[in-house]
Amino acid sequence: AQSVAQPEDQVNVAEGNPLTVKCTYSVSGNPYLFWYVQYPNRGLQFLLKYITGDNLVKGSYGFEAEFNKSQTSFHLKKPSALVSDSALYFCAVRFDTGRRALTFGSGTRLQVQP
Amino acid sequence: GAGVSQSPSNKVTEKGKDVELRCDPISGHTALYWYRQSLGQGLEFLIYFQGNSAPDKSGLPSDRFSAERTGGSVSTLTIQRTQQEDSAVYLCASSLPTGYQETQYFGPGTRLLVL
Repeated sequence: AQSVAQPEDQVNVAEGNPLTVKCTYSVSGNPYLFWYVQYPNRGLQFLLKYITGDNLVKGSYGFEAEFNKSQTSFHLKKPSALVSDSALYFCAVRFDTGRRALTFGSGTRLQVQP
Repeated sequence: GAGVSQSPSNKVTEKGKDVELRCDPISGHTALYWYRQSLGQGLEFLIYFQGNSAPDKSGLPSDRFSAERTGGSVSTLTIQRTQQEDSAVYLCASSLPTGYQETQYFGPGTRLLVL
């Protein structure tokens, strides 16, 4: 079964420092990986996705993610965190062998301190 | 352009009542998904519609849950005889059916509270 894990419930980082939010996935075919962000009382907002090609994917608001096939990971990164980046981040996966719906991780709350 | 819209934004109901939740997808998006977000279960897939194909209902948790999509656009999720464990945020997403790489765009959700 396809699954994705976000091992950290919360990540704390100081404003201006680099941030990383971790995501690993189980292998069940070729993965298509996504990151979404959720602000309070809002729906999920698409940040970026990996489909094929370059392992480093650039997305919205200065975020990027690195696909690592050997480690089955897709960590979200940003070189310099902003207080406004504080939100709930979800990693999601679908495989070309499975259903079209996304399977989501449990979410990681990012707290950026001024 | 307009994104995915959902109504109502909040719904409070009594246990045992039926509720209907509505989703208006992005114009031209033929794929539509319902998910549920709850504290204990995270984000769970419920049902998927694509054009005139039979929906994928594999995520519906019980036969109290049903959904339909009229005219390939608006969708309604119905929960019959609501239970307290149905309390959650119900999210709708739509996409262009471009295969496994397609991006789903989410609405703001309907927050359901069953008393």
